[in-house]
Amino acid sequence: DGGITQSPKYLFRKEGQNVTLSCEQNLNHDAMYWYRQDPGQGLRLIYYSQIVNDFQKGDIAEGYSVSREKKESFPLTVTSAQKNPTAFYLCASSKGQIEAFFGQGTRLTVV
Amino acid sequence: QKEVEQDPGPLSVPEGAIVSLNCTYSNSAFQYFMWYRQYSRKGPELLMYTYSSGNKEDGRFTAQVDKSSKYISLFIRDSQPSDSATYLCAMKPNQAGTALIFGKGTTLSVSS
Repeated sequence: DGGITQSPKYLFRKEGQNVTLSCEQNLNHDAMYWYRQDPGQGLRLIYYSQIVNDFQKGDIAEGYSVSREKKESFPLTVTSAQKNPTAFYLCASSKGQIEAFFGQGTRLTVV
Repeated sequence: QKEVEQDPGPLSVPEGAIVSLNCTYSNSAFQYFMWYRQYSRKGPELLMYTYSSGNKEDGRFTAQVDKSSKYISLFIRDSQPSDSATYLCAMKPNQAGTALIFGKGTTLSVSS
């Protein structure tokens, strides 16, 4: 079945540690996106990529980094510079103008 | 003023009620309008999308866009307990290389 796979489902980060969230899609979609969701805040765009080896910052890119070496993969690294990383992270992909598919999310907690 | 405004609720209705969910926006360049449904601790799923103005119906769901008022709505007829979820509106311009702008979501609870 086609879809978006995010892993892990739950992730715990220690202070000062970098962690990487995985996002893989087998839908042959060109564009991929990372959003952060906090209670009462809706979805806020972190980074997005329209094609391989190219990506753009969203509204809250500080403290995050991404790469897009393959069409299928768009990993997100939460660096130690992100001071409040505890949140629900969602990856999405689209072909054309409609963002039709989201992954099931990764819940990141700082311990 | 935020680009997309959505009342977070919560909204509680009895089973069988008609539900109206709404968003307002400020950017007149928005052309694509979407509604997503998100169950607790899950990723959002696309319910409906509309291009430009007008209505679109899919089963118990109707999406309306009024570009003159910068106002979009989602109506749910004969609401069911399984409709209990957070509903997110989202929109974007008709321009390549742009991402969706989301509202904060409205939490709906349908009681049996």
